[in-house]
Amino acid sequence: KQEVTQIPAALSVPEGENLVLNCSFTDSAIYNLQWFRQDPGKGLTSLLLIQSSQREQTSGRLNASLDKSSGRSTLYIAASQPGDSATYLCAVSPLNTGNQFYFGTGTSLTVIP
Amino acid sequence: DAGVTQSPTHLIKTRGQQVTLRCSPKSGHDTVSWYQQALGQGPQFIFQYYEEEERQRGNFPDRFSGHQFPNYSSELNVNALLLGDSALYLCASSLGIVRYGYTFGSGTRLTVV
Repeated sequence: KQEVTQIPAALSVPEGENLVLNCSFTDSAIYNLQWFRQDPGKGLTSLLLIQSSQREQTSGRLNASLDKSSGRSTLYIAASQPGDSATYLCAVSPLNTGNQFYFGTGTSLTVIP
Repeated sequence: DAGVTQSPTHLIKTRGQQVTLRCSPKSGHDTVSWYQQALGQGPQFIFQYYEEEERQRGNFPDRFSGHQFPNYSSELNVNALLLGDSALYLCASSLGIVRYGYTFGSGTRLTVV
């Protein structure tokens, strides 16, 4: 069974700092990987989707990388803002199941003004 | 363009009762997946519906059942509610398999007392 781990569980940084969130998964045979943002008590907002054949995706101040062979992905946030405060979740879709995502428990980010 | 719509947003039920949650997928999407998210945890896959049939199921008991209608909307039914069923229930829609990732709704917060 696919296991997804996110480190750190919580992170607090001053506004303007660049930061990296980490995601690791145990089975490298994945279809794709998706990063989400979740505000307290709310649903999930998709940030970036990386197909298994891709190495990275970028959207604005966000950059996600994927290293399938080592089972790792990183989400880089540049010039952090207080509005970036949320929980960030990583999810992978394994090839053998294909139709579901396995989620990590998330990284809770606080950006201090 | 409407995203994924879930109703109701909040619900309080008594242990032993039955509940029905509803989801309308994003326009153009034909596949609906349901997830359960306990407090402080990542979402857990319940099941997925495609062409009005359950295509894949996670590790949830038969008390959890669903349905998909010809217009692609979906219902999640939970019978004989337990206190442990208290969670945020998330609906996600996609086009076919998860090649293009998921779009999530805002969720239904279910509290069982």
